[in-house]
Amino acid sequence: GENVEQHPSTLSVQEGDSAVIKCTYSDSASNYFPWYKQELGKRPQLIIDIRSNVGEKKDQRIAVTLNKTAKHFSLHITETQPEDSAVYFCAASRSGGSNYKLTFGKGTLLTVNP
Amino acid sequence: NAGVTQTPKFRVLKTGQSMTLLCAQDMNHEYMYWYRQDPGMGLRLIHYSVGEGTTAKGEVPDGYNVSRLKKQNFLLGLESAAPSQTSVYFCASRHGQGSPKNIQYFGAGTRLSVL
Repeated sequence: GENVEQHPSTLSVQEGDSAVIKCTYSDSASNYFPWYKQELGKRPQLIIDIRSNVGEKKDQRIAVTLNKTAKHFSLHITETQPEDSAVYFCAASRSGGSNYKLTFGKGTLLTVNP
Repeated sequence: NAGVTQTPKFRVLKTGQSMTLLCAQDMNHEYMYWYRQDPGMGLRLIHYSVGEGTTAKGEVPDGYNVSRLKKQNFLLGLESAAPSQTSVYFCASRHGQGSPKNIQYFGAGTRLSVL
């Protein structure tokens, strides 16, 4: 089955700095890669996703890059703000066929210091 | 539009007791999932369902049972609770295979403590 490794497990940055979280996956057939943000005591919520037919996707201050050859993808947050403090999870799955499951990384606790 | 609703929000059980967690979604989603979240372990899939009347095992199914008698509801049962089942449980749902979106929508979670 799929295995997703996520690094770092914790990340502390100063407000205004950039933050980068990296994930690797094992299943070369995976083609959908979402990122979820979970604030303390809240539910995970999708913040951005990317499919394997594109290499980069951007939404305001967040962007995701994908390297299919190396089987890794990254989340980039620019101009970080205190409200970006949360746990971020990457995930991977195949779309279509009989695979319906997301495999999640173990999460990165991001702390943005004012 | 409530989305995904989980009940109860909190529960304390004694070892050996049983309970059922309810997940209800009003988005007409085909697929539903139960995860558990433990510190440092991320989200681990317990069981999932790809449609009414179907269930399948996930990554950590032991000690849990599920039922999907109605499309909108997915129940997670603990027959004989153990302290190792102390966790936060999340339900999620998504559109079916024909949808271009794989987005899973999560409930607010159930915090369960087994003493």
